[in-house]
Amino acid sequence: DQQVKQNSPSLSVQEGRISILNCDYTNSMFDYFLWYKKYPAEGPTFLISISSIKDKNEDGRFTVFLNKSAKHLSLHIVPSQPGDSAVYFCAASGGYYSGYALNFGKGTSLLVTP
Amino acid sequence: DSGVTQTPKHLITATGQRVTLRCSPRSGDLSVYWYQQSLDQGLQFLIQYYNGEERAKGNILERFSAQQFPDLHSELNLSSLELGDSALYFCASSVGATGDTGELFFGEGSRLTVL
Repeated sequence: DQQVKQNSPSLSVQEGRISILNCDYTNSMFDYFLWYKKYPAEGPTFLISISSIKDKNEDGRFTVFLNKSAKHLSLHIVPSQPGDSAVYFCAASGGYYSGYALNFGKGTSLLVTP
Repeated sequence: DSGVTQTPKHLITATGQRVTLRCSPRSGDLSVYWYQQSLDQGLQFLIQYYNGEERAKGNILERFSAQQFPDLHSELNLSSLELGDSALYFCASSVGATGDTGELFFGEGSRLTVL
């Protein structure tokens, strides 16, 4: 049962344009959301997060938006750069009772072309 | 470099065999998490240990077991291996059981191939 869903397996964007990666979740108990980035032959690395009490968090070129009523979050990358090409995983934390273990989506492979 | 070390990086074995994957967390981290990434699948949470005790359990098969030792390193044991167990196994660590910001630090993974 996939509680975190990334319905777009891949996305291609031109350098300098905006990349928008989407994520949906089904469990209303999730209270913390994160995006991880993964390059080939490496482990995932933390990119940005957002608490359920917020609807937006920004860090440089990366902004995460959370719509709790729709159980939807998105990651915006502006402007996109070739070095952003990677697989992006959306993750959600169920809080204390789940030990803060993260539930991950299947990932979206982003390709930024020059 | 995340500071999380996993060994071996690659492992090839036969069906029915047993293997052990090892993980050393970042210095100071008390929680260790194990994840499985199969082909076309996301990262599936298997199990979490905090300071030697099992803290949370995910979709871990009965053929799999894990433990965390007093020095905080962890081992994931996979037995009676099947072809479908072929996957990338990630270990991650965090400072506490409560996860703070929820950020986990991942190792590079151990790629298991079952033939």
